[in-house]
Amino acid sequence: AQKVTQAQTEISVVEKEDVTLDCVYETRDTTYYLFWYKQPPSGELVFLIRRNSFDEQNEISGRYSWNFQKSTSSFNFTITASQVVDSAVYFCALGITQGGSEKLVFGKGMKLTVNP
Amino acid sequence: AAGVIQSPRHLIKEKRETATLKCYPIPRHDTVYWYQQGPGQDPQFLISFYEKMQSDKGSIPDRFSAQQFSDYHSELNMSSLELGDSALYFCASSPRLHARPYFGPGTRLTVT
Repeated sequence: AQKVTQAQTEISVVEKEDVTLDCVYETRDTTYYLFWYKQPPSGELVFLIRRNSFDEQNEISGRYSWNFQKSTSSFNFTITASQVVDSAVYFCALGITQGGSEKLVFGKGMKLTVNP
Repeated sequence: AAGVIQSPRHLIKEKRETATLKCYPIPRHDTVYWYQQGPGQDPQFLISFYEKMQSDKGSIPDRFSAQQFSDYHSELNMSSLELGDSALYFCASSPRLHARPYFGPGTRLTVT
């Protein structure tokens, strides 16, 4: 079965704190993709990152960084020096290729509130 | 850069009515996906099309149907609407297999 678990449902931090969002996935596929999306209160899904199963390199983009560990089936996301604008729901997702398409299985999401 | 277009952006319908949601993929994208996100929930995959043929199907109710047309736009038809169909409906498109999907802004459907 394909599954994504985001154990934290809600986190509240004070601005400038670092925060890590956990994501654990399950799949039997050897080729898959992992994603993180941000969903602000306006509702759109903002793409943050896509990583394929063969690339375990960590990635840093500005204040955002991702740690992919196949050994523990985890793809964690860290926001450094959080800002109020980071307040949103964050979804981790697993991309499964089937036929000619790649559908996403999302985790339940984690609501991050950054207080000034 | 062109993005995925969804129309309408907001739709209010009454129970038992019918709704049609439209999705216009990014030019040269041949794959379209539909997702449903209920209030406070994660997006759930409904259905996908590749080159105008259905490629995968998720938990889509029998009351819903969808298709992809020759110009690659897609429509999601929803009949006998129920209160539980109130949700944000996302369309996404991708240019090829193993390419990431690009999400549209969503259509917010409210059933009263």
